[in-house]
Amino acid sequence: AQKVTQAQTEISVVEKEDVTLDCVYETRDTTYYLFWYKQPPSGELVFLIRRNSFDEQNEISGRYSWNFQKSTSSFNFTITASQVVDSAVYFCALSEARGNTGKLIFGQGTTLQVKP
Amino acid sequence: NAGVMQNPRHLVRRRGQEARLRCSPMKGHSHVYWYRQLPEEGLKFMVYLQKENIIDESGMPKERFSAEFPKEGPSILRIQQVVRGDSAAYFCASSRQDQPQHFGDGTRLSIL
Repeated sequence: AQKVTQAQTEISVVEKEDVTLDCVYETRDTTYYLFWYKQPPSGELVFLIRRNSFDEQNEISGRYSWNFQKSTSSFNFTITASQVVDSAVYFCALSEARGNTGKLIFGQGTTLQVKP
Repeated sequence: NAGVMQNPRHLVRRRGQEARLRCSPMKGHSHVYWYRQLPEEGLKFMVYLQKENIIDESGMPKERFSAEFPKEGPSILRIQQVVRGDSAAYFCASSRQDQPQHFGDGTRLSIL
Protein backbone atom coordinates (compact mmCIF):
# COMPACT_ATOMS: atom_id res chain seq x y z
CA ALA A 1 0.00 0.00 0.00
CA GLN A 2 1.05 3.56 -0.60
CA LYS A 3 1.71 5.84 2.34
CA VAL A 4 3.21 9.27 2.98
CA THR A 5 4.53 10.28 6.39
CA GLN A 6 5.29 13.81 7.47
CA ALA A 7 6.58 13.30 10.97
CA GLN A 8 6.81 16.99 11.80
CA THR A 9 3.37 18.22 12.80
CA GLU A 10 4.39 21.80 13.50
CA ILE A 11 7.58 23.79 13.00
CA SER A 12 8.21 27.31 14.20
CA VAL A 13 11.15 29.38 12.99
CA VAL A 14 12.20 33.00 13.03
CA GLU A 15 12.31 34.90 9.77
CA LYS A 16 15.48 34.37 7.70
CA GLU A 17 16.16 30.96 9.20
CA ASP A 18 16.40 27.96 6.88
CA VAL A 19 13.89 25.18 7.49
CA THR A 20 13.56 21.64 6.15
CA LEU A 21 10.26 19.79 5.97
CA ASP A 22 10.59 16.03 5.96
CA CYS A 23 8.63 13.59 3.83
CA VAL A 24 9.01 9.81 3.81
CA TYR A 25 6.97 7.63 1.49
CA GLU A 26 6.15 3.97 0.95
CA THR A 27 5.16 2.37 -2.33
CA ARG A 28 5.58 -0.90 -4.16
CA ASP A 29 5.43 0.85 -7.52
CA THR A 30 8.67 1.28 -9.42
CA THR A 31 7.32 4.32 -11.22
CA TYR A 32 5.64 7.05 -9.24
CA TYR A 33 5.42 10.79 -8.73
CA LEU A 34 6.09 12.87 -5.64
CA PHE A 35 4.56 16.26 -4.97
CA TRP A 36 4.58 19.18 -2.58
CA TYR A 37 1.58 21.46 -2.09
CA LYS A 38 1.24 24.58 0.05
CA GLN A 39 -1.96 25.51 1.90
CA PRO A 40 -1.75 29.09 3.20
CA PRO A 41 -4.13 30.37 5.91
CA SER A 42 -6.61 31.42 3.22
CA GLY A 43 -7.17 27.71 2.58
CA GLU A 44 -6.43 27.13 -1.09
CA LEU A 45 -3.95 24.49 -2.24
CA VAL A 46 -1.01 25.65 -4.29
CA PHE A 47 1.02 23.23 -6.41
CA LEU A 48 4.77 23.58 -5.79
CA ILE A 49 6.54 20.68 -7.48
CA ARG A 50 6.22 17.22 -9.04
CA ARG A 51 9.12 14.78 -9.34
CA ASN A 52 9.26 11.54 -11.30
CA SER A 53 10.73 8.54 -9.50
CA PHE A 54 13.40 8.17 -12.18
CA ASP A 55 14.72 11.67 -11.68
CA GLU A 56 16.72 11.98 -8.47
CA GLN A 57 18.26 15.31 -9.31
CA ASN A 58 17.76 17.91 -6.65
CA GLU A 59 15.73 20.89 -7.70
CA ILE A 60 16.00 24.53 -6.74
CA SER A 61 13.44 27.23 -7.38
CA GLY A 62 14.32 30.53 -5.78
CA ARG A 63 14.36 30.00 -2.01
CA TYR A 64 12.82 26.54 -2.37
CA SER A 65 14.80 23.35 -2.89
CA TRP A 66 13.91 19.70 -2.87
CA ASN A 67 16.06 16.69 -2.05
CA PHE A 68 14.84 13.38 -3.45
CA GLN A 69 16.60 10.24 -2.17
CA LYS A 70 15.24 6.90 -3.31
CA SER A 71 17.61 5.02 -1.01
CA THR A 72 15.82 6.44 2.02
CA SER A 73 12.41 6.94 0.34
CA SER A 74 12.49 10.60 1.23
CA PHE A 75 11.54 13.79 -0.58
CA ASN A 76 12.47 16.66 1.70
CA PHE A 77 11.68 20.31 1.13
CA THR A 78 13.93 23.16 2.27
CA ILE A 79 13.04 26.83 2.45
CA THR A 80 16.07 29.09 2.61
CA ALA A 81 15.87 32.45 4.38
CA SER A 82 12.26 31.88 5.41
CA GLN A 83 9.75 34.72 5.30
CA VAL A 84 6.50 35.34 7.15
CA VAL A 85 4.60 34.69 3.91
CA ASP A 86 5.93 31.13 3.96
CA SER A 87 3.69 30.41 6.94
CA ALA A 88 1.34 27.68 5.78
CA VAL A 89 0.57 23.99 5.94
CA TYR A 90 2.75 22.02 3.55
CA PHE A 91 1.64 18.67 2.17
CA CYS A 92 3.76 16.00 0.58
CA ALA A 93 1.93 13.60 -1.74
CA LEU A 94 2.52 10.49 -3.84
CA SER A 95 0.81 9.06 -6.89
CA GLU A 96 1.43 6.09 -9.14
CA ALA A 97 2.67 7.00 -12.59
CA ARG A 98 1.04 4.17 -14.50
CA GLY A 99 -2.52 3.08 -14.83
CA ASN A 100 -5.69 5.05 -15.15
CA THR A 101 -5.81 6.60 -11.75
CA GLY A 102 -3.66 9.56 -10.75
CA LYS A 103 -5.05 9.87 -7.27
CA LEU A 104 -2.83 11.57 -4.75
CA ILE A 105 -1.96 10.05 -1.40
CA PHE A 106 -1.27 12.92 0.99
CA GLY A 107 0.73 13.10 4.18
CA GLN A 108 -0.81 14.67 7.26
CA GLY A 109 0.86 17.97 6.56
CA THR A 110 3.41 20.10 8.40
CA THR A 111 2.32 23.46 9.77
CA LEU A 112 5.12 25.97 9.34
CA GLN A 113 5.00 29.18 11.32
CA VAL A 114 7.54 31.85 10.45
CA LYS A 115 7.77 34.57 13.07
CA PRO A 116 9.00 38.07 12.27
CA ASN B 1 -6.42 33.33 -15.21
CA ALA B 2 -9.21 30.75 -15.08
CA GLY B 3 -8.10 28.19 -12.54
CA VAL B 4 -10.22 25.45 -11.07
CA MET B 5 -13.47 27.06 -9.95
CA GLN B 6 -15.42 25.67 -7.05
CA ASN B 7 -18.69 26.95 -5.72
CA PRO B 8 -20.01 27.71 -3.34
CA ARG B 9 -17.03 28.67 -1.21
CA HIS B 10 -19.02 28.04 1.94
CA LEU B 11 -22.14 25.91 2.30
CA VAL B 12 -24.30 25.46 5.37
CA ARG B 13 -26.83 22.66 5.57
CA ARG B 14 -29.02 21.18 8.28
CA ARG B 15 -28.87 17.49 9.05
CA GLY B 16 -30.88 15.51 6.54
CA GLN B 17 -30.60 18.05 3.71
CA GLU B 18 -28.73 17.58 0.47
CA ALA B 19 -25.46 19.29 -0.40
CA ARG B 20 -24.33 19.93 -3.98
CA LEU B 21 -20.78 21.02 -4.61
CA ARG B 22 -19.71 22.22 -8.04
CA CYS B 23 -16.36 22.18 -9.77
CA SER B 24 -15.41 23.65 -13.14
CA PRO B 25 -12.01 22.35 -14.23
CA MET B 26 -9.33 24.46 -15.83
CA LYS B 27 -9.70 24.97 -19.55
CA GLY B 28 -8.38 21.97 -21.45
CA HIS B 29 -8.47 19.67 -18.41
CA SER B 30 -10.55 16.54 -18.82
CA HIS B 31 -9.63 14.84 -15.53
CA VAL B 32 -11.39 15.81 -12.30
CA TYR B 33 -10.63 14.62 -8.76
CA TRP B 34 -12.46 15.21 -5.50
CA TYR B 35 -10.74 15.17 -2.10
CA ARG B 36 -12.03 15.70 1.42
CA GLN B 37 -10.14 17.40 4.20
CA LEU B 38 -11.47 16.80 7.68
CA PRO B 39 -10.46 19.28 10.40
CA GLU B 40 -6.79 19.01 11.37
CA GLU B 41 -6.23 16.25 8.81
CA GLY B 42 -4.67 15.84 5.40
CA LEU B 43 -6.61 15.41 2.21
CA LYS B 44 -8.19 12.07 1.38
CA PHE B 45 -8.97 11.01 -2.17
CA MET B 46 -12.64 10.41 -2.91
CA VAL B 47 -13.23 10.00 -6.64
CA TYR B 48 -11.63 10.45 -10.05
CA LEU B 49 -13.72 11.23 -13.11
CA GLN B 50 -13.25 11.88 -16.78
CA LYS B 51 -15.99 13.27 -18.96
CA GLU B 52 -19.13 11.20 -18.31
CA ASN B 53 -17.14 8.40 -16.66
CA ILE B 54 -16.19 7.50 -13.10
CA ILE B 55 -12.69 6.04 -13.27
CA ASP B 56 -11.91 5.42 -9.61
CA GLU B 57 -14.36 5.84 -6.73
CA SER B 58 -12.42 3.83 -4.18
CA GLY B 59 -12.45 6.71 -1.68
CA MET B 60 -16.16 7.44 -1.82
CA PRO B 61 -18.33 6.46 1.14
CA LYS B 62 -20.65 3.66 0.09
CA GLU B 63 -23.84 5.52 0.86
CA ARG B 64 -25.19 9.03 0.37
CA PHE B 65 -22.26 10.27 -1.76
CA SER B 66 -22.24 10.46 -5.55
CA ALA B 67 -20.29 12.32 -8.20
CA GLU B 68 -20.72 13.11 -11.84
CA PHE B 69 -18.88 14.93 -14.58
CA PRO B 70 -21.32 15.42 -17.45
CA LYS B 71 -20.42 16.12 -21.04
CA GLU B 72 -21.50 19.73 -20.57
CA GLY B 73 -21.19 21.66 -17.33
CA PRO B 74 -19.29 21.30 -14.09
CA SER B 75 -18.54 18.24 -12.05
CA ILE B 76 -20.95 17.78 -9.14
CA LEU B 77 -20.30 16.11 -5.80
CA ARG B 78 -23.62 15.32 -4.17
CA ILE B 79 -24.14 14.39 -0.56
CA GLN B 80 -27.62 13.24 0.40
CA GLN B 81 -29.07 13.34 3.93
CA VAL B 82 -26.05 15.08 5.36
CA VAL B 83 -24.82 14.31 8.87
CA ARG B 84 -22.53 16.24 11.20
CA GLY B 85 -19.58 14.06 10.22
CA ASP B 86 -19.81 15.36 6.65
CA SER B 87 -18.54 18.75 7.81
CA ALA B 88 -15.26 19.24 6.01
CA ALA B 89 -13.49 21.10 3.24
CA TYR B 90 -14.06 19.49 -0.15
CA PHE B 91 -11.44 20.16 -2.79
CA CYS B 92 -11.68 19.59 -6.48
CA ALA B 93 -8.61 19.23 -8.68
CA SER B 94 -8.24 18.98 -12.43
CA SER B 95 -5.48 17.99 -14.80
CA ARG B 96 -4.59 17.06 -18.33
CA GLN B 97 -3.51 13.48 -18.99
CA ASP B 98 -0.35 12.68 -16.99
CA GLN B 99 0.01 16.26 -15.77
CA PRO B 100 -0.02 17.60 -12.17
CA GLN B 101 -3.34 18.28 -10.53
CA HIS B 102 -4.30 21.85 -9.85
CA PHE B 103 -6.72 22.52 -7.03
CA GLY B 104 -9.64 24.84 -6.56
CA ASP B 105 -10.12 26.93 -3.42
CA GLY B 106 -12.39 24.32 -1.88
CA THR B 107 -15.93 24.31 -0.50
CA ARG B 108 -16.27 24.46 3.28
CA LEU B 109 -19.33 22.45 4.23
CA SER B 110 -20.84 23.00 7.65
CA ILE B 111 -23.67 20.86 8.98
CA LEU B 112 -25.90 22.34 11.67
